[in-house]
Amino acid sequence: ETGVTQSPTHLIKTRGQQVTLRCSSQSGHNTVSWYQQALGQGPQFIFQYYREEENGRGNFPPRFSGLQFPNYSSELNVNALELDDSALYLCASSLDSGRVTDTQYFGPGTRLTVL
Amino acid sequence: AQSVAQPEDQVNVAEGNPLTVKCTYSVSGNPYLFWYVQYPNRGLQFLLKYITGDNLVKGSYGFEAEFNKSQTSFHLKKPSALVSDSALYFCAVRASNDYKLSFGAGTTVTVRA
Repeated sequence: ETGVTQSPTHLIKTRGQQVTLRCSSQSGHNTVSWYQQALGQGPQFIFQYYREEENGRGNFPPRFSGLQFPNYSSELNVNALELDDSALYLCASSLDSGRVTDTQYFGPGTRLTVL
Repeated sequence: AQSVAQPEDQVNVAEGNPLTVKCTYSVSGNPYLFWYVQYPNRGLQFLLKYITGDNLVKGSYGFEAEFNKSQTSFHLKKPSALVSDSALYFCAVRASNDYKLSFGAGTTVTVRA
């Protein structure tokens, strides 16, 4: 198991609501990336945070936003939830965003269901 | 833009037989290639990566992968599969000037006893 933890494990929300997912990175890692994995698909990159700044973003609308804290833990916030937001949300931490060869280590994920 | 193709949705092998999971990639510049495995209701577990050097990379749990630049492939292999290797396998690529991993759609491996 990696040292990356995520909470909650499961979450059920209704359309239009807002949700916050949390991630604690592995000790010594300063970079956190978030991915969305829809059922039957590979993970899709949402965004990455490096030293509390957004470092890059995938093709996701602005209602997906995030934060990184001084201890390098991170939050993913999704506003105005849609049915298609139902997915497994994965957090990955890596040692340093500046080194492209670094491995990203994934947490167990948060399963979000939007009804 | 970078992308990964895993041409087989499913691979079925008998325990003890060799296992191969195929992956091809497209990327500008030098590729950094990764294999991850996902067990049901779990996150992704890192198996191995190719950065540079020897084209044959050895990883966790007896897995290895061969990088072939001319064929833009990075196939995952295991000489003798175990029932416990049954899982969902993802190949991913990262460009040398990018920060994100781009994943394939995944290949479900079933190893029968």
